[in-house]
Amino acid sequence: DAGVTQSPTHLIKTRGQQVTLRCSPKSGHDTVSWYQQALGQGPQFIFQYYEEEERQRGNFPDRFSGHQFPNYSSELNVNALLLGDSALYLCASSLGTASPHAFFGQGTRLTVV
Amino acid sequence: EDKVVQSPLSLVVHEGDTVTLNCSYEVTNFRSLLWYKQEKKAPTFLFMLTSSGIEKKSGRLSSILDKKELFSILNITATQTGDSAVYLCAVFYNQGGKLIFGQGTELSVKP
Repeated sequence: DAGVTQSPTHLIKTRGQQVTLRCSPKSGHDTVSWYQQALGQGPQFIFQYYEEEERQRGNFPDRFSGHQFPNYSSELNVNALLLGDSALYLCASSLGTASPHAFFGQGTRLTVV
Repeated sequence: EDKVVQSPLSLVVHEGDTVTLNCSYEVTNFRSLLWYKQEKKAPTFLFMLTSSGIEKKSGRLSSILDKKELFSILNITATQTGDSAVYLCAVFYNQGGKLIFGQGTELSVKP
């Protein structure tokens, strides 16, 4: 049973560029949430997708957008990258939006130079 | 504003010591509190606490929640070098959806 898988594992981008991160949820899970974890900080909630719609959103600008596909996998897109976007991006999957039991992927380390 | 605060932010102990990690929260519509261990990248689940005063245990780790005073503690007895990690506390909203995390406590266990 595959857990949550994220790709790529590492990424280096230049300021102003755009990036797409991908996540496949744990088998049987239908809800995907994205978190940003800056160095030395706890993860911060970006948004959650369920039934291919954004259900909740944290305090992040519109440069951060996402998508969920019919197979429940998800993408996180960040436009006009800033140096401050450098962080570990974690994807978490769960069964339904009301379940606190989220399983996390290994994350994508994004470095913006 | 909802927040979760952990203390201490970092801790260095020697193998065999007992440690207590703290987590306090101010969150509306509280539903449950979760503890995670983060060694390199993926946080891994340790405990979920919903009811006040009931201790959860798993081997050398234990945790308890006080819903009146709005805090939780995570105890690790007879620490080992493999316990070195960042320990994250998070609160889950009653209305579902997101976890609000604290800053984490970085624990380093020296041989």
